[in-house]
Amino acid sequence: DAGVIQSPRHEVTEMGQEVTLRCKPISGHNSLFWYRQTMMRGLELLIYFNNNVPIDDSGMPEDRFSAKMPNASFSTLKIQPSEPRDSAVYFCASRLQESGNTIYFGEGSWLTVV
Amino acid sequence: DAKTTQPPSMDCAEGRAANLPCNHSTISGNEYVYWYRQIHSQGPQYIIHGLKNNETNEMASLIITEDRKSSTLILPHATLRDTAVYYCIVRSAGGTSYGKLTFGQGTILTVHP
Repeated sequence: DAGVIQSPRHEVTEMGQEVTLRCKPISGHNSLFWYRQTMMRGLELLIYFNNNVPIDDSGMPEDRFSAKMPNASFSTLKIQPSEPRDSAVYFCASRLQESGNTIYFGEGSWLTVV
Repeated sequence: DAKTTQPPSMDCAEGRAANLPCNHSTISGNEYVYWYRQIHSQGPQYIIHGLKNNETNEMASLIITEDRKSSTLILPHATLRDTAVYYCIVRSAGGTSYGKLTFGQGTILTVHP
């Protein structure tokens, strides 16, 4: 069974450019999460969706960040315009809502903004 | 959610049991104890969870004290591949925060030959 699939795995971009990170959750899972990890702040929840609907986006740092989930098998996290302080590892995770807090993470997208 | 306290780092010899403690003295009755780990350069990985009874699966055992104020994750035969950061998280299984995990600093477990 394929796990959570993220792309790209690594991206280096220039400040001001738009960045789009993609996620395919585990088939059948109905909750999806975007986390960000930095050395300074650790792992932070940015946003999560239940049944494709955003439930809590209080962790999204600012308007430059947006996330969508057009269907049950795909989500994007977009940063526009990107800034050097956005450099981090971005993790997507999914779960079957009925399973509570057992969440499965992808391998992450390593973003560097120069 | 209840706050957890873990030692910042621990060492363990390969093949021996690794016992990772976690204090959660403010845990409430409907909160579960979850353990995740993160191996370098990978996403966090679910290990085990429990409410009040001890639990065991193919990866580990979870021992929760009778008063539920602390717990211990046991890796019975640690291998070098178990070197990782281990996170203890206390979380309710319902309410508006359902499914949201707050990761602390965790315990860096180093398994050495």
